[in-house]
Amino acid sequence: DGGITQSPKYLFRKEGQNVTLSCEQNLNHDAMYWYRQDPGQGLRLIYYSQIVNDFQKGDIAEGYSVSREKKESFPLTVTSAQKNPTAFYLCASSYRDRDYEQYFGPGTRLTVT
Amino acid sequence: AQSVTQPDIHITVSEGASLELRCNYSYGATPYLFWYVQSPGQGLQLLLKYFSGDTLVQGIKGFEAEFKRSQSSFNLRKPSVHWSDAAEYFCAYTSSASKIIFGSGTRLSIRP
Repeated sequence: DGGITQSPKYLFRKEGQNVTLSCEQNLNHDAMYWYRQDPGQGLRLIYYSQIVNDFQKGDIAEGYSVSREKKESFPLTVTSAQKNPTAFYLCASSYRDRDYEQYFGPGTRLTVT
Repeated sequence: AQSVTQPDIHITVSEGASLELRCNYSYGATPYLFWYVQSPGQGLQLLLKYFSGDTLVQGIKGFEAEFKRSQSSFNLRKPSVHWSDAAEYFCAYTSSASKIIFGSGTRLSIRP
């Protein structure tokens, strides 16, 4: 079955540590996205990538980094510079010419203490 | 700035009753509008979408939504809710490449 996988589902880290969240898709989608979700705030775009080896900042990119070395994979690193990293992180993907129709993974809940 | 407003943070309806969730967006050329549903701790599932044409769109799970350009609204409706419909619902809007704007969500609870 085609879809988007995110791992792990729950992640715990100590403050000051970098952590990388995984996102893989086998939908043959060109574009991939990372969103952050906080209670009562909907989804906010962190980074997106329309093609391999290229990515753009979203609305809240500070304290995050990404890479896109393969079409199927778009890992997100939450760095120690991110002031409030505890959140639910969602990855999505789409065809490049249908970027308005995004499919979402199941999410990773990150808790930093 | 373009925005999406879901005025109801939390709604409770009785099982079998009808449902309407409100969504308003700030004006943009040729809006693409969506409703997503999210069960607790899960990702988002697309319920329905409006791109153009008929202003009443049908989605999965018995949901429908009506686009009203004059009111900048895209309200979600269901004639009879089931307990399994309890979830959070997000309205979303885009009119430009690669950036979907999401509303803050409406949490739906179902009263037995």
